[in-house]
Amino acid sequence: QVTLKESGPTLVKPTQTLTLTCSFSGFSLVTSGVGVGWIRQPPGKALEWLALIYWNDDKRYSPSLTTRVTITKDIYKNQVVLTVTGVEPTDTATYFCARDMALHRRFYFDYWGQGAPVTVSS
Amino acid sequence: VLTQSPATLSLSPGERATLSCRASQSVDNFLAWYQQKPGQAPRLLIYDASSRAAGIPARFSGSGSGTDFTLTISSLEPEDFAIYYCHQRSDWPPWTFGQGTTVEI
Repeated sequence: QVTLKESGPTLVKPTQTLTLTCSFSGFSLVTSGVGVGWIRQPPGKALEWLALIYWNDDKRYSPSLTTRVTITKDIYKNQVVLTVTGVEPTDTATYFCARDMALHRRFYFDYWGQGAPVTVSS
Repeated sequence: VLTQSPATLSLSPGERATLSCRASQSVDNFLAWYQQKPGQAPRLLIYDASSRAAGIPARFSGSGSGTDFTLTISSLEPEDFAIYYCHQRSDWPPWTFGQGTTVEI
């Protein structure tokens, strides 16, 4: 059974660094064709893809956030960590992690965590 | 950029729902549809424009390629009232989502 769960602070002050952890089970990030990504959703708004990391340590970032975002993995703990530096109130959102799986010819997010709400405010 | 229409679709159970997603440039057929209910994570319905994900009922179907895509729900069940997002996986990031279509009763 594939599960993912996000954890991290619910409140962060502007200019601080946000660190979120995705803990997963039911699959491994050493298996070929598997990745884990982060997607966020501001209140009442649409989804925005942020970053992805694959089994071979290939990493992809959204061009709009590439200077502020870092994604890493710990294959022994089955965790993926997202850091966002210099947060602003516009970074307020629910942050989801999701498994990115090779389905036929492309990768798609097939299992998602329940999301972690983050508010950026002083 | 993915543009979804309409923003809101008001229908009754048993009716047919047709949702549109238009890409600003071709994404081949590398497009997915997700369903999201309030307070829940998105659920993968369709990938590669027309392939149903595991466990998804046959009343959900997808079509299209290039820049124009459609999600059809043949006969709405009460549990289908939700927000639907399209998502493109072209060759290079950013891998974007549409702004969503709300299917309401």
